[in-house]
Amino acid sequence: AQSVTQLDSQVPVFEEAPVELRCNYSSSVSVYLFWYVQYPNQGLQLLLKYLSGSTLVKGINGFEAEFNKSQTSFHLRKPSVHISDTAEYFCAVSLVSGGGADGLTFGKGTHLIIQP
Amino acid sequence: ETGVTQSPTHLIKTRGQQVTLRCSSQSGHNTVSWYQQALGQGPQFIFQYYREEENGRGNFPPRFSGLQFPNYSSELNVNALELDDSALYLCASTGQGSYNEQFFGPGTRLTVL
Repeated sequence: AQSVTQLDSQVPVFEEAPVELRCNYSSSVSVYLFWYVQYPNQGLQLLLKYLSGSTLVKGINGFEAEFNKSQTSFHLRKPSVHISDTAEYFCAVSLVSGGGADGLTFGKGTHLIIQP
Repeated sequence: ETGVTQSPTHLIKTRGQQVTLRCSSQSGHNTVSWYQQALGQGPQFIFQYYREEENGRGNFPPRFSGLQFPNYSSELNVNALELDDSALYLCASTGQGSYNEQFFGPGTRLTVL
């Protein structure tokens, strides 16, 4: 079975500083990779996804992530954060072979706290 | 394009009762998945419906059941509620051939007393 580990439960960062949120996954088969953001009392919004091809993927709101197959990682980065980026961030995987029927497997989330 | 909607927003039930949560999928999406998100945790996959049939299920007991209707909307039913069922229940829809990219609704907050 696949699993996702988000190494940091909380990441405090000063406004306009860069940030990296770490995600590692475990799977014996190929996976698709996703990052979602959840603002307080809301559902999840897709930030970006890796399906195949270029390992550097760009998403919304200035976020990007890099897929590293050898390290089974998919870390999320932003060069300069804003107060509005304060939210919970979830990394998720989906089996390529499953056709989606296995759903998404999520990590426990990382709370990004932007300090003024 | 209409997004995923869920009702109700909040719900309070007592232990042993039954509950039905509802979801309307995003326009053009034919697959609906349900997730349970306990406080401070990531969402956990309950099951997925495609063409009115359950085609995938996570590690949840049979008292969690669902339906999908011809218009692709869906219901999640939970029988014999337990205190641990208190959570945010998220519905997500997926379009055909979209590599399991799921679009989430705002969720229903269920509290079991």
